[in-house]
Order: sequence, then C-alpha cells, then structure tokens
Amino acid sequence: EAGVAQSPRYKIIEKRQSVAFWCNPISGHATLYWYQQILGQGPKLLIQFQNNGVVDDSQLPKDRFSAERLKGVDSTLKIQPAKLEDSAVYLCASSVGETLGYTFGSGTRLTVV
Amino acid sequence: GENVEQHPSTLSVQEGDSAVIKCTYSDSASNYFPWYKQELGKGPQLIIDIRSNVGEKKDQRIAVTLNKTAKHFSLHITETQPEDSAVYFCAPRLGAGSYQLTFGKGTKLSVIP
Repeated sequence: EAGVAQSPRYKIIEKRQSVAFWCNPISGHATLYWYQQILGQGPKLLIQFQNNGVVDDSQLPKDRFSAERLKGVDSTLKIQPAKLEDSAVYLCASSVGETLGYTFGSGTRLTVV
Repeated sequence: GENVEQHPSTLSVQEGDSAVIKCTYSDSASNYFPWYKQELGKGPQLIIDIRSNVGEKKDQRIAVTLNKTAKHFSLHITETQPEDSAVYFCAPRLGAGSYQLTFGKGTKLSVIP
C-alpha cells in the first residue's frame, strides 16, 4: 500500500511569514495526526483528527497554528505568522481507527530565519 | 514527553553485540507500548509493539519486554548490525480512550562495525 505522503519536503521562510504543509494519509485510515519534532527531541502531538473532526487540539498553539482535514482525507497544517522557534520537522501520521499502530510520513523540515 | 523517560540517550555497541533501551512511563492505565525507529531524514517507523496483557514479544532479532507493575518496558536488539544504527523512540499510549502516543526523547544507537 502507498504510504503517508507529505509535501513539501523542505521549506525555508522568514519569521512572520506564513507557511502551509499538506498530508495525504493511507487510504482508509480514519485517524490522522500532526506532530512537531524539534531537532534532538521526540515528536510532540499537535492535533488529532478522526475523519474530518478534531479529536484533540489541546497542544496546538491556536494563535498561530491552524489545521483542517477536508472530506476526512487530506489535511493541511498552517502557521501564520511563523516564529524562529517553529523551526522543526512536521510529521503527519495516520492509523486505522481501531488499531494502535501509526504510519508516519517522511515529514516537512521547516526552517524559520 | 515529561511522563515518558527513555534511557540511555546514546548507546554505542560493537557489531554483533546486544543493545537494550529502557522506557519508563507514569500512567498505570497505559495499555499499548510501541517502539519506533527513525533513520535520518525519515519519519519514525514502528518496529515492534506490545499490549498490556503480554509480558514479552519477539520478532527475529528484536524483542520488547513489559513490566506493568514497575511501569517500564524495554527494547532488546540482539546480534546488532550497522543498519540498526538509528534513533529509537518509545511511545506508550498514556491512559485509555485515546489513540495518542507520547514519545520519549529518543536513544541514538550507533553500531560500530
């Protein structure tokens, strides 16, 4: 089966600019997650979707981050305006709702200068 | 996450030796315990997992052991090979009723040929 697709692979922006990341999960996976991985640390959950509804966004900095999942398939994560500390790899993962294993995409590496 | 501790943070072993990484978690309601492997430039990949009703699980050279009383689980890699070099993360599901995983800070394993 095809894996989780993410784009772009890399992005460099200046602080205060906006940026968007895209994720296409594995077909049939109802649950989709966005994680932030700062260099040298483990991934940290930003938001979890079940189909097109938000299950948990308690760790999403809502003053600057937003996410949506259109029609319960693709998802976009947006940052506006970006700060230097947003430099990280943004990982998308999906899972079949009733199982517990995630499949991650390769991530988008964001550098804010 | 602060509820998950992983040790050691770095580990160097000679090719053919064994490697053990330990993960301690705080929530006694946790019931799913996976290990992920992350290679440079890639997303984490699930390598083995264990449920709370099982004490040990093996898959070729990889095994996971669980001590629910002490709230820790360990990854064991035998006959290590250079391709085992990567960062390994434990990611227990803390609590019930959620599919979210909380990642440890990672262990960088280096296998010396």
